[in-house]
Amino acid sequence: NAGVTQTPKFRILKIGQSMTLQCAQDMNHNYMYWYRQDPGMGLKLIYYSVGAGITDKGEVPNGYNVSRSTTEDFPLRLELAAPSQTSVYFCACSGTSGNTIYFGEGSWLTVV
Amino acid sequence: EDQVTQSPEALRLQEGESSSLNCSYTVSGLRGLFWYRQDPGKGPEFLFTLYSAGEEKEKERLKATLTKKESFLHITAPKPEDSATYLCAVQGAKYNTDKLIFGTGTRLQVFP
Repeated sequence: NAGVTQTPKFRILKIGQSMTLQCAQDMNHNYMYWYRQDPGMGLKLIYYSVGAGITDKGEVPNGYNVSRSTTEDFPLRLELAAPSQTSVYFCACSGTSGNTIYFGEGSWLTVV
Repeated sequence: EDQVTQSPEALRLQEGESSSLNCSYTVSGLRGLFWYRQDPGKGPEFLFTLYSAGEEKEKERLKATLTKKESFLHITAPKPEDSATYLCAVQGAKYNTDKLIFGTGTRLQVFP
């Protein structure tokens, strides 16, 4: 039981490039989330999903897109990468409302 | 607006020197307050959930308490392996999902 798995662990992008951060969970949880963590700042919610086919914006969605075609997978797409998107990205999941949220190990992204 | 403030930002303790970390919150209808531990280069690891004022939870050398305005994470006789960043987060009633509002964390260092 791996929990929440994120790939890649590290990535360097050039300004204007696009990429997808992958997230998979084997906990059979309905809710999934993408957070970003910047130095000295709290984790900020980018997008979330309450189930397959349903997604919604969080606090900082600009420059990102998500999809949720299955319960297990919740990829985060960065279009036209900008230096402001340099951050650590965490995918997370939870079972039902009020339950604990479990995080992946993170993906370190640098945009140069 | 929902808000979480943690203090101090950083704390250095001698092994065995007990102390407390503070998490002050403002939220519209608290559904849950969460404590996480985060090691460098890792994702947040769940520690505790508190749901109502007066509730307390313990795990090894850690004890979390909750009032209507703040939560404390008490560390008794800490060891070097307790060194980490401790994150506090809240879920408010205005959201119909498990979205968390995070504080910026307290970085704890315990020296032998």
